[in-house]
Amino acid sequence: QVQLQESGPGLVKPSETLSLICSVSGGPISSYYWSWIRQSPGKGLEWIGYMYYSGATDYNPSLKSRVTLSVDTSKNQFSLRLRSVTAADTAVYYCARLRYIVRRFYVDVWGKGTTVTVSS
Amino acid sequence: QSVLTQPPSVSAAPGQKVTISCSGSSSNIANNYVSWYQQLPGTAPKLLIYDNNKRPSRIPDRFSASTSGTSATLGITGLQTGDEADYYCGTWDSSLSAGVFGGGTKLTVL
Repeated sequence: QVQLQESGPGLVKPSETLSLICSVSGGPISSYYWSWIRQSPGKGLEWIGYMYYSGATDYNPSLKSRVTLSVDTSKNQFSLRLRSVTAADTAVYYCARLRYIVRRFYVDVWGKGTTVTVSS
Repeated sequence: QSVLTQPPSVSAAPGQKVTISCSGSSSNIANNYVSWYQQLPGTAPKLLIYDNNKRPSRIPDRFSASTSGTSATLGITGLQTGDEADYYCGTWDSSLSAGVFGGGTKLTVL
């Protein structure tokens, strides 16, 4: 059973970079798409982007200028970097395994989520 | 504003049936597969439905879904108090080139 665990700072200062890591256990990172999704307090889900284990990426256009996703297959981990954060980036961040192919987009495995607060 | 529109809340009595709607457009629901997620209070979302109407093996057949044109519907029969949760629809939007979700619907089992 594949399990995902997010890790990283829970507090980030405005204008700095938010960095999170997702550790994948119980299965390989290869041959799958991996994604980050966030949920602002009291709000719905927002897709941040995905990466393929080979390194190919795609991002939500609304965040594209500030986001970088990367993968480390040797450690079975993938990561998120979000630059120039503001209070609007305060959210629970979920890492997820994505099933993505033509016309098909869904998350079949979710991490437990980690809360990131942007505040000075 | 979410790309997919869901009612903020629905309610029904235990044992009854409820439906939750998800309205989109030709660039998302009409031409891409829809998924549905259940988020119990304080937990991560969980996949309920994928490919419009398929259930993962662990999901009971009380949960079903369908699509028609630019709309999708989740149905839950035999409601239980444990079904109280937020429910989200999701899909790919071909115009935005982005994954999109509905704003979520809070189900109350009275």
